Amino acid sequence: ETGVTQTPRHLVMGMTNKKSLKCEQHLGHNAMYWYKQSAKKPLELMFVYSLEERVENNSVPSRFSPECPNSSHLFLHLHTLQPEDSALYLCASSAGGGLDTQYFGPGTRLTVL
Amino acid sequence: QQQVKQSPQSLIVQKGGIPIINCAYENTAFDYFPWYQQFPGKGPALLIAIRPDVSEKKEGRFTISFNKSAKQFSLHIMDSQPGDSATYFCAAKRGSSYKLIFGSGTRLLVRP
Repeated sequence: ETGVTQTPRHLVMGMTNKKSLKCEQHLGHNAMYWYKQSAKKPLELMFVYSLEERVENNSVPSRFSPECPNSSHLFLHLHTLQPEDSALYLCASSAGGGLDTQYFGPGTRLTVL
Repeated sequence: QQQVKQSPQSLIVQKGGIPIINCAYENTAFDYFPWYQQFPGKGPALLIAIRPDVSEKKEGRFTISFNKSAKQFSLHIMDSQPGDSATYFCAAKRGSSYKLIFGSGTRLLVRP
C-alpha cells in the first residue's frame, strides 16, 4: 500500500449505529487530518493531529470522536449521527505543518439513514 | 475573514482552451496559496502552490497568477485537455498553521 488509504470506502449507517472510519498513511508523516466534504461546500477541516496530539478541533459535534493511536493511523468514531452528516470524509497527512503538502486519501462515502 | 471565495462554480471549455478559475481572500495573514485537483472517486491532490512574494508561478501547463493588493489569485490551464476535466479547489493558510481554508470548488469539463 502506498500513500494514504481509507477504509471502508462506502458506509451506510442508521442514526443509532456506532461505526468507525480508519485511515492509514504510508508516507512517514507526523501530521494527520480529518476533513468533511459535502456537495457544493468547501472542504471543512474537522481535526488535526501532530505526533499523536490533537492540535486543531474545529467545533465539531461530539458525535464525531477522533483517535490517533500512532503517527500512521487515524480513526474517526461515529455515533448517533444525523442525516446531514452524510458526506465524503477525507483523511490527509503531511510531514508537518507550515508549507508541507497535505496528501489526501480517497475518502469514505458515508450515508446516514 | 477566514473564507476563500472561488468562482465560477462550473466551467466548460473546448480542448485547447484556457480555463481560468478565480479566488479571493480577506485574511492578510494568509501566506500560502495552493491549488488542488480532484478526480471522481479520488481525494484532492496538490497541483501547484504560490507564496505572496511572487506574482506568477508556472508548472507545465498550469499557472497561478497572484495579486496581493487585490487579495486575489487565479489558476490558468494552458492548452487544456479532456484529461484535465476535474474539480479544482483553491486554498489558503498561514504558513505556520496546519489549517487549510478551501474554496468551494470549480467543476471543469474540457470537451474533445
